[in-house]
Amino acid sequence: QMHLVQSGPEFKKPGASVTISCKASDYTFSYYSFVWVRQAPGKGLEWMGWISAKDGDTKYESDLQGRLTLSTDTSATTVYMELRNLRSDDAATYFCASGYCSSVTCRTFDYWGPGTPVTVSS
Amino acid sequence: QTVVTQEPSLTVSPGGTVTLTCASTAGPVISDHSPTWIQQKPGQAPRSLIYGANRRQSWTPARFSGSLLGGKAALTLSGAQPEDEADYYCVLDYTGRQAHWVFGGGTKLTVL
Repeated sequence: QMHLVQSGPEFKKPGASVTISCKASDYTFSYYSFVWVRQAPGKGLEWMGWISAKDGDTKYESDLQGRLTLSTDTSATTVYMELRNLRSDDAATYFCASGYCSSVTCRTFDYWGPGTPVTVSS
Repeated sequence: QTVVTQEPSLTVSPGGTVTLTCASTAGPVISDHSPTWIQQKPGQAPRSLIYGANRRQSWTPARFSGSLLGGKAALTLSGAQPEDEADYYCVLDYTGRQAHWVFGGGTKLTVL
């Protein structure tokens, strides 16, 4: 079973960038894909994007295109989420989640990290 | 912009049965949308209960079941327990290729 560990809380000013890491425990890292989901305080869940650990293929929510970059470091079994030009409404808890990929399809939300709170304030 | 709609809140008695639904403004929810149901308790990370419309995760109690019903995805809880009180989200994949998942607004389920 995949176990995900995320980096710690972040405090950023508007206009800054934030990078959050998500380290996976499973040595079969390349067989998984990862999504990032965020949740503003008291609000619902929002899908941000998806990345394949096998080939680095990415998909992004259209509203975040241009500000969001997902990447992987296979040797470190770690996925990264970078969000640039932060705004006050980017303040949220950011979750990574993963699912196993077969040769045909990928599962998506099977395993979740604990979340990383991001505060955006001047 | 596609919107996924869920009941904002529902209440069920202990031991009772309740059905949560998930509708799409883009038309009927079908299996190709890979409907997934997510449970989140206060202060905790979400966890997946149902994927592929009706497949339980290994950790999902048998009292939870997923289905497609009348053009919507549905999550039925039979024999509600106090620990089932939580927020429940459905999420749909509109492309079938991981390119556009949309979460519903969530249903706050009270067991009372």
